[in-house]
Amino acid sequence: GQQVMQIPQYQHVQEGEDFTTYCNSSTTLSNIQWYKQRPGGHPVFLIQLVKSGEVKKQKRLTFQFGEAKKNSSLHITATQTTDVGTYFCAGRRLTGGGNKLTFGTGTQLKVEL
Amino acid sequence: DGGITQSPKYLFRKEGQNVTLSCEQNLNHDAMYWYRQDPGQGLRLIYYSQIVNDFQKGDIAEGYSVSREKKESFPLTVTSAQKNPTAFYLCASSNTGGANTEAFFGQGTRLTVV
Repeated sequence: GQQVMQIPQYQHVQEGEDFTTYCNSSTTLSNIQWYKQRPGGHPVFLIQLVKSGEVKKQKRLTFQFGEAKKNSSLHITATQTTDVGTYFCAGRRLTGGGNKLTFGTGTQLKVEL
Repeated sequence: DGGITQSPKYLFRKEGQNVTLSCEQNLNHDAMYWYRQDPGQGLRLIYYSQIVNDFQKGDIAEGYSVSREKKESFPLTVTSAQKNPTAFYLCASSNTGGANTEAFFGQGTRLTVV
């Protein structure tokens, strides 16, 4: 079945440092979505990328979708304590998966002052 | 308010008992999902439904059952056959086509087996 892995599993940074999480799918995706889950909360949608090689920015966050539509990355520039949480990628198979939405294993980010 | 509602927020169950978790949405979404989250881990798909009266097993369906008799509702039953049911359960819904297919999540139900 489809697997979506993320690395690293955990990341501790000092405030002001950059952070990157990588997402890899075993199958080609129709699109990739990114979510953030604050401690004790539920996942909240951040962004969706659809096109091969697409890059989108949201303030200090930069999202990329790979050329083969099987991998993606989220980069945060100059982290802040408000960035704390777990970041998940999620995707649907390009063919044969219907609306099955598979989430990645997640990267937990901790930001220290 | 538009949204997705899960109840209860906390649930305690004795071993050997079945328990049903509620999930209701008023977003007019066709697709609904149930995920399980264990401490420090990702979201694993239990069941999903793309349309009323239809649902498919996810990656960890054993010991769980669902129904989709109404578009708004997708209850999850955790049966006594589920060997390790203590977890955080998240329900979500989404559109099935078009540009906006992101998932909207409920607040979750934390189930503890005592």
